[in-house]
Amino acid sequence: RKEVEQDPGPFNVPEGATVAFNCTYSNSASQSFFWYRQDCRKEPKLLMSVYSSGNEDGRFTAQLNRASQYISLLIRDSKLSDSATYLCVVNLKGGSQGNLIFGKGTKLSVKP
Amino acid sequence: NAGVTQTPKFRVLKTGQSMTLLCAQDMNHEYMYWYRQDPGMGLRLIHYSVGEGTTAKGEVPDGYNVSRLKKQNFLLGLESAAPSQTSVYFCASRGSLYEQYFGPGTRLTVT
Repeated sequence: RKEVEQDPGPFNVPEGATVAFNCTYSNSASQSFFWYRQDCRKEPKLLMSVYSSGNEDGRFTAQLNRASQYISLLIRDSKLSDSATYLCVVNLKGGSQGNLIFGKGTKLSVKP
Repeated sequence: NAGVTQTPKFRVLKTGQSMTLLCAQDMNHEYMYWYRQDPGMGLRLIHYSVGEGTTAKGEVPDGYNVSRLKKQNFLLGLESAAPSQTSVYFCASRGSLYEQYFGPGTRLTVT
């Protein structure tokens, strides 16, 4: 089983739609969780950290389910500018100097 | 606020040539990383550093060397470039909560 798995997509949705991505991780000792956004031919950028209690930032909501070892990202009222690849990222407690493990990403395309 | 910068942005090498990629960060971060990103492969860690004067191997270190002589700089060297090293290279530094901040990347083509 891969350490971090994501559905590669693409998810093609109309503007205004609500879309959700899930990500599973294999190591139960994982401690920190993040969602990154990567635009075509650009660097990954931190979208939000994921906390055990769940957290929201505007139209974006992230949730963590430790028992089932998955992380989710919900985007409400999708905008054209949300089109990007979303990377699920985990940090393994005690792992090599706090290195992050990146999923391969889920591609989102928001259409007019 | 520059954050993480990388030079050069683009480079074309011939097989067997050498080059050095420079990464600089102005956030006073201890940890720095070099990744490569290839289609369908995601980000893979090449080398990393936990502080000035230290380096360690990541997932795919072969064919690369690194140096961290100053805290703000992390250099990635290719001694003898191969076509398999054609990729996009990203440098990153780590904040206090394990989040990483990336530079804009270097697109390297080896012919």
